[in-house]
Amino acid sequence: SAVISQKPSRDICQRGTSLTIQCQVDSQVTMMFWYRQQPGQSLTLIATANQGSEATYESGFVIDKFPISRPNLTFSTLTVSNMSPEDSSIYLCSVETRPGTQYFGPGTRLLVL
Amino acid sequence: GDSVTQMEGPVTLSEEAFLTINCTYTATGYPSLFWYVQYPGEGLQLLLKATKADDKGSNKGFEATYRKETTSFHLEKGSVQVSDSAVYFCALSRGDSNYQLIWGAGTKLIIKP
Repeated sequence: SAVISQKPSRDICQRGTSLTIQCQVDSQVTMMFWYRQQPGQSLTLIATANQGSEATYESGFVIDKFPISRPNLTFSTLTVSNMSPEDSSIYLCSVETRPGTQYFGPGTRLLVL
Repeated sequence: GDSVTQMEGPVTLSEEAFLTINCTYTATGYPSLFWYVQYPGEGLQLLLKATKADDKGSNKGFEATYRKETTSFHLEKGSVQVSDSAVYFCALSRGDSNYQLIWGAGTKLIIKP
């Protein structure tokens, strides 16, 4: 298993600003994922972040809007840039310790005004 | 493409009732199947999984059997508790080089005392 923490747990931001979300894992993992979960909805994968390579973005998500860093095997950041109210959501990071088995952080609840 | 279909919620039951949440899938090859649970205000947790046909995953009184003939992975529990109130997500992983999870829409479960 893996224990994952995220910072901040929640934030209220003004439109046009940017927020960086941190994800810390208690063990070294290769594959990390960033998801968005809009209220009452399922999870939408934003990108896969592997250490030592560029993040791979899913359709509808671009690096300019959601830049990701993955400096080592235990840490990653997701930035939500130039925010608008449509970016209000829960952002979750997860890690995969064996194929298909993911462990999730508690999420970052973002409200953009 | 691969997909997961869950029964729509919310599902409302009385305490000690029998629970079934239906999940069917479409996938090529031999996917692994998962149930994740999201308690109010928290991130997702892996509840159980099955990696091949006829496998039964179980945890915390919940069970699900991988039925390849009916492409199903229904979640069951014999006697639910108020503490089981949560959103339940069915997911599949193709298990090949692409380890991404394909998610169902989630089913909200409400247990009344």
